[in-house]
Amino acid sequence: AQKITQTQPGMFVQEKEAVTLDCTYDTSDPSYGLFWYKQPSSGEMIFLIYQGSYDQQNATEGRYSLNFQKARKSANLVISASQLGDSAMYFCLLLHMDTGRRALTFGSGTRLQVQP
Amino acid sequence: DAGVIQSPRHEVTEMGQEVTLRCKPISGHNSLFWYRQTMMRGLELLIYFNNNVPIDDSGMPEDRFSAKMPNASFSTLKIQPSEPRDSAVYFCASSLSGTLQETQYFGPGTRLLVL
Repeated sequence: AQKITQTQPGMFVQEKEAVTLDCTYDTSDPSYGLFWYKQPSSGEMIFLIYQGSYDQQNATEGRYSLNFQKARKSANLVISASQLGDSAMYFCLLLHMDTGRRALTFGSGTRLQVQP
Repeated sequence: DAGVIQSPRHEVTEMGQEVTLRCKPISGHNSLFWYRQTMMRGLELLIYFNNNVPIDDSGMPEDRFSAKMPNASFSTLKIQPSEPRDSAVYFCASSLSGTLQETQYFGPGTRLLVL
C-alpha cells in the first residue's frame, strides 16, 4: 500500500532561521511525484514545490528546497530564512499510479509556527 | 488568470437539505478534482474528472454525494440529503492534463456547516 508519513505534528522556528519539515513515503511504483502544499489559516491550499522520482536534481523554488533522498524514501522540505508569513500547515503529497488510475496520498500535515 | 473559483465560500444549512457546491477550473485545464478536508480525516480525494469524464469516484463517501462536470469550465458537487457529519471544507482543484507528476492548483474552498 502506498503511504506517506509526516512525523512532526508541530514545529517552531525563529524568524530568519531555516527549518526542515520531514516527509517519508512508501510506494512500489517506479514513477511517482512528491508535492508540498502550504495551507495558511485562511484555508486555501498553496502549491510550493514538486519533485519527480526521476528528477536528477533536488527541486528548488525560491526559499523552498526539497531534500530528496530516493534510497531512503524521504522528501523533506527545507524553508530558508523563515518569515512570519510562513506560519501555516504544510502537507506532503505522494502522486502515483494505482491500478491504472492516478492517486494522491496525503500526509497528516505539520503545523509550522514562526516566532519573531 | 483568476485561478480556480469556488462558490459559495461559506454555506450553512440544516440537516436533510440539498447542498450544491460549484467549481470553475482554470481555463485550459483538463483535469478537475474534488477534495474534502476535516480535522479527523485530513484531506480526502473524493472524485476526479479528466476531459469532463469521471475517472475515479472511489473516494465518494456514499450515494448521497454526486458530482458532475457538464462542460470544461464548470463542475458541481451535490450532497442530498446533507448530514451534520458532512461538515467540512470542500476543495476543488484543477490541473493541465491527466498525466502523472503534475501540479494541481487548488481553489479557496467552501466551508460547509450542516446543522
